[in-house]
Amino acid sequence: ETGVTQTPRHLVMGMTNKKSLKCEQHLGHNAMYWYKQSAKKPLELMFVYNFKEQTENNSVPSRFSPECPNSSHLFLHLHTLQPEDSALYLCASSQDGGAGNQPQHFGDGTRLSIL
Amino acid sequence: QQQVKQSPQSLIVQKGGISIINCAYENTAFDYFPWYQQFPGKGPALLIAIRPDVSEKKEGRFTISFNKSAKQFSLHIMDSQPGDSATYFCAAQSSGAGSYQLTFGKGTKLSVIP
Repeated sequence: ETGVTQTPRHLVMGMTNKKSLKCEQHLGHNAMYWYKQSAKKPLELMFVYNFKEQTENNSVPSRFSPECPNSSHLFLHLHTLQPEDSALYLCASSQDGGAGNQPQHFGDGTRLSIL
Repeated sequence: QQQVKQSPQSLIVQKGGISIINCAYENTAFDYFPWYQQFPGKGPALLIAIRPDVSEKKEGRFTISFNKSAKQFSLHIMDSQPGDSATYFCAAQSSGAGSYQLTFGKGTKLSVIP
């Protein structure tokens, strides 16, 4: 398997549930990213991990909790979400998040719906 | 200052025509400008990218034109095909140390009609 794989592809959850999104990259990259994509808004960077260390948290509410056990895997743990959190959550990877001009490779996302 | 403004929001082009999408930025530290293509149900995929030391880059039917003084760049799709129908995002990044952030435009939905 190649590229960036995200599971599940679709997730419906209630506001009191706890769930996790998973991302796996098979590109040998060292940086991984979580983005939120909402209709009519630019992609919003949420978190960045470079060599397993979190290097960026763009003022994301604590109900989103990332985890990066190794350079190939990234999780986004969700709890007590709000309806406005319904969106497409995209994972991406790049060779080195600390260097500029690095192409980012995206997964196909998890479509999250909060009831 | 981190914003990238993209226009138009949507575009309809006849098959064989030229599709043009424009982006403008304010941050003069930006020095890497990729374009991403996204099909429904898929993640964005890197299409073509340019650095400001050149004014134009061409890959097949896709060309980026870059105007550093105007802080504008655009994507031209020549001989547009129905298979090009997708949403296109411009983005910008600074190559400074710790520069993880890609700043994206809001996207342009392109429809190429037969």
